[in-house]
Amino acid sequence: DTGVSQNPRHKITKRGQNVTFRCDPISEHNRLYWYRQTLGQGPEFLTYFQNEAQLEKSRLLSDRFSAERPKGSFSTLEIQRTEQGDSAMYLCASSFYLLAGGRRVPYEQYFGPGTRLTVT
Amino acid sequence: AQSVTQLGSHVSVSEGALVLLRCNYSSSVPPYLFWYVQYPNQGLQLLLKYTSAATLVKGINGFEAEFKKSETSFHLTKPSAHMSDAAEYFCAVSDRNTGNQFYFGTGTSLTVIP
Repeated sequence: DTGVSQNPRHKITKRGQNVTFRCDPISEHNRLYWYRQTLGQGPEFLTYFQNEAQLEKSRLLSDRFSAERPKGSFSTLEIQRTEQGDSAMYLCASSFYLLAGGRRVPYEQYFGPGTRLTVT
Repeated sequence: AQSVTQLGSHVSVSEGALVLLRCNYSSSVPPYLFWYVQYPNQGLQLLLKYTSAATLVKGINGFEAEFKKSETSFHLTKPSAHMSDAAEYFCAVSDRNTGNQFYFGTGTSLTVIP
């Protein structure tokens, strides 16, 4: 178990450019989450996948943002036409989600180190 | 929707003193509750979690938290602060019925004074 990894760790881009981030979750985890964290704030939910299905998207996820998890393993988050307001830390987390005895049991989320995006 | 409130964005304690970080949740049904710690330029690390077993939950690094339904609280404590405890602490909540996304508080920055 090597933990959740994210690449790149830092990204500096000019306004209007597209960027893509990658997240590799813990291998046996079936859920993968994306969060955005700005300075002095807690992580804000963006979207999550169960296996390859994207089950929920926050209204924070504008149409410039798209996320994929094509084979239910790694995930990518793409931001098109970046804006200065997109500057933030983008965090990925994974968890193992189990339906136990009719009750959904959300196991804890394990976070990656994040990708810090700076849009100039 | 679930939410958590962390009272006190900054807390300072002396080394060896009691640490108390406050978290209150809003939900008509007791949710699942978590405390995470974040060191500078790193991701979040789970300290402890409450999922309806014992109300007093022990975590890593000597931290513990008590779930109090009557007060809708899940405060984090540590009897004796260490310099290495200086970090940002986040309380998070997840709905026990849907088990979907986590909702995080705004965080409490802990400073430990030598």
